[in-house]
Amino acid sequence: SQKIEQNSEALNIQEGKTATLTCNYTNYSPAYLQWYRQDPGRGPVFLLLIRENEKEKRKERLKVTFDTTLKQSLFHITASQPADSATYLCALEGSGYSTLTFGKGTMLLVSP
Amino acid sequence: NAGVTQTPKFQVLKTGQSMTLQCAQDMNHNSMYWYRQDPGMGLRLIYYSASEGTTDKGEVPNGYNVSRLNKREFSLRLESAAPSQTSVYFCASSGLAGANSYEQYFGPGTRLTVT
Repeated sequence: SQKIEQNSEALNIQEGKTATLTCNYTNYSPAYLQWYRQDPGRGPVFLLLIRENEKEKRKERLKVTFDTTLKQSLFHITASQPADSATYLCALEGSGYSTLTFGKGTMLLVSP
Repeated sequence: NAGVTQTPKFQVLKTGQSMTLQCAQDMNHNSMYWYRQDPGMGLRLIYYSASEGTTDKGEVPNGYNVSRLNKREFSLRLESAAPSQTSVYFCASSGLAGANSYEQYFGPGTRLTVT
């Protein structure tokens, strides 16, 4: 069955550094992969989408890579700020039309 | 635009009681979804509606029913609540963002406790 793995341990980094989060998947050949941000007590917010034929996508301080051979996506936040502290979820197309399957998320903590 | 709205924000039920969670979106999206989120389990899809007039089961549909009332509204009903249904429930919607891609927009969630 489809499986998505994100590091369950929180990632602690200092302000100004680059944060790198990992999303691995198995038994999947997704056409695209998405990343979401979730703050405590709130719903997830869409950040970026990358398609299978794209190696890299950027949006401001965010960069996503998608390696379909390794079955892995990396999510980078450059020049991280305390306001970037949140849980980040990756999601791949699900088995149903228009659906997504989400990973469990990785918490990022950026200290001043 | 309000985006995706959900009511109520909080609810406490006794075992066996029923209730309906309401969701509405004003983005003219075709697809709507109901998820539950539990600690350590992540977001799990309960039911979805790919378009008005259709509904399908997701990963964890047991104990729930849904109604796609119109294009804007998608409700989730618990007929006989159980403590295992204590969770945070999120509604989401999506429109076609490009070929075969569906970014989703989430509501603020409903925190449900069943005692």
